[in-house]
Amino acid sequence: GAVVSQHPSWVICKSGTSVKIECRSLDFQATTMFWYRQFPKQSLMLMATSNEGSKATYEQGVEKDKFLINHASLTLSTLTVTSAHPEDSSFYICSAIYGLAGGLRISDTQYFGPGTRLTVL
Amino acid sequence: GNSVTQMEGPVTLSEEAFLTINCTYTATGYPSLFWYVQYPGEGLQLLLKATKADDKGSNKGFEATYRKETTSFHLEKGSVQVSDSAVYFCALSNRNQGGKLIFGQGTELSVKP
Repeated sequence: GAVVSQHPSWVICKSGTSVKIECRSLDFQATTMFWYRQFPKQSLMLMATSNEGSKATYEQGVEKDKFLINHASLTLSTLTVTSAHPEDSSFYICSAIYGLAGGLRISDTQYFGPGTRLTVL
Repeated sequence: GNSVTQMEGPVTLSEEAFLTINCTYTATGYPSLFWYVQYPGEGLQLLLKATKADDKGSNKGFEATYRKETTSFHLEKGSVQVSDSAVYFCALSNRNQGGKLIFGQGTELSVKP
């Protein structure tokens, strides 16, 4: 149980294009999802918290207009990197917390997706 | 504020050796504590967790005990295998932080046959 998937697992795009990454909780409802970025041999950097049905909360220093987050359902959140540039190349990982509609959180354990490797040429 | 400090890696061990990865934390209140493992090119997998003082989390031969008096959550395994080679992250979650995880910097473990 508690499986989170991400799609695509890797993507290569040209500079200036936009890329959408999907994060799905496959066997549980997730009222809250998180998006992280990880550089080689470093820890995870939290980018934003995504709550179902409301606007995402971004961490300080993360450009909300560049990293668009949508959490349209209890099982899906998307991250769109707009006008991508080579410096946006990174490993993007999402996670989800089990919860119910209305924001009731059942657990404080985050379950992580397998990650998406983005390379911008 | 909340923070997590892990011992620096890389840690290199021979197969069947004893493993300890130290983790200490700073937090207000009563956080939950976690160990996650990341294999090369993959996301994070929850290894074990503990939600209150003196709780022991265990999984796949790994153990960690929530020590409030020393603010520690050290990861141990009695006999490591080559397949345990990965990066291990200690993390805490405080309910007053909306479920956010605060990660340590990660410790790379390499087990040689």
